[in-house]
Amino acid sequence: DVKVTQSSRYLVKRTGEKVFLECVQDMDHENMFWYRQDPGLGLRLIYFSYDVKMKEKGDIPEGYSVSREKKERFSLILESASTNQTSMYLCASSLQGYTGELFFGEGSRLTVL
Amino acid sequence: SQQGEEDPQALSIQEGENATMNCSYKTSINNLQWYRQNSGRGLVHLILIRSNEREKHSGRLRVTLDTSKKSSSLLITASRAADTASYFCATDPKAAGNKLTFGGGTRVLVKP
Repeated sequence: DVKVTQSSRYLVKRTGEKVFLECVQDMDHENMFWYRQDPGLGLRLIYFSYDVKMKEKGDIPEGYSVSREKKERFSLILESASTNQTSMYLCASSLQGYTGELFFGEGSRLTVL
Repeated sequence: SQQGEEDPQALSIQEGENATMNCSYKTSINNLQWYRQNSGRGLVHLILIRSNEREKHSGRLRVTLDTSKKSSSLLITASRAADTASYFCATDPKAAGNKLTFGGGTRVLVKP
């Protein structure tokens, strides 16, 4: 079974802190994604990556950056956390392009105080 | 606004009953997927239906797609308490740069 592991299930950070969210997948998938999920808004795509060191902006990239130094690892970085970035963050990977079946991690619930 | 919109937003049924939820979308799609999310967890893929398919089954799940009406339905038959979850549709719009677009979800409560 594909496993997508997010390093932290729950984080509490202060405004202005730099935050790293780590995601690792074990199935050699080319494509990896970061979404945020907010009540009533569904999932919104922040960034995605189709290869090592390659990235593309999603629908809401402002305030975020990403890093993909190794195929299995995709990191989301909040350079200076703000309260409006309090959310559930979901990492996913896929084998078949950007719009095939996604395999999700368990999510990281971030609270910014 | 979102490409996919689920209806109803919430649904409460008794164990053993069927649950039906709908997804409407605005633009032509390549495929449509349904996902389940248990409370506080990640999403799990349930089924993918392509634009040239009309119906698909997977165990107790039945998905239909009507491209003329730009809508899809997910039917869960003989529901169980373990089916309690949120269900999301995700569309692959033909003109959206190859990105899945998720709806806001339907929360389903199956009462024992």
